[in-house]
Amino acid sequence: NAGVMQNPRHLVRRRGQEARLRCSPMKGHSHVYWYRQLPEEGLKFMVYLQKENIIDESGMPKERFSAEFPKEGPSILRIQQVVRGDSAAYFCASSRRQGAFDEQFFGPGTRLTVL
Amino acid sequence: DQQVKQNSPSLSVQEGRISILNCDYTNSMFDYFLWYKKYPAEGPTFLISISSIKDKNEDGRFTVFLNKSAKHLSLHIVPSQPGDSAVYFCAAKKGGGGADGLTFGKGTHLIIQP
Repeated sequence: NAGVMQNPRHLVRRRGQEARLRCSPMKGHSHVYWYRQLPEEGLKFMVYLQKENIIDESGMPKERFSAEFPKEGPSILRIQQVVRGDSAAYFCASSRRQGAFDEQFFGPGTRLTVL
Repeated sequence: DQQVKQNSPSLSVQEGRISILNCDYTNSMFDYFLWYKKYPAEGPTFLISISSIKDKNEDGRFTVFLNKSAKHLSLHIVPSQPGDSAVYFCAAKKGGGGADGLTFGKGTHLIIQP
């Protein structure tokens, strides 16, 4: 009965390196959402994916950021050439289906620190 | 442009009393509202939600009220307990076939004092 799993929990990168954040949704959930929380801010929606499809990436920066949710395996949020401003907590959520009344369950987050 | 606003960054309430957390929104397309509770170093946990067709939803000690004309909702916790100390986020989503991403407020840090 595992919840949403995210790893790593903490990730330290130097400027210019790549960061890969992984998210395994709850069992039976096929919808994944990524959010970013900057210090002293609320969570900001980045991208919504279903298996093998990006449904909405309107909240994701156009450059350096990409996301995927392959047929097998976890969803990956990839940040290329990280900068200090990318330092934040990144949360993944999953839901069973799309719909106005479908609860999103959140993972514990990955805290990215860019040196 | 903050579409969901929580204007009180923090709130201190005595144990046993009522805690009232407020939230305002600007986007009339929002038709579903949620409250999440968050402890440090953890992800948000769903607390309670309300559809725009209702004005009240109750679950144990937690009640959410929605005033659509004022674009305002509030979360009432009664009686408040020490374990309620956390950051509370108000979130909203649009219905229909649009994106399911939630729009969050900045949060209110609730502190329950013994």
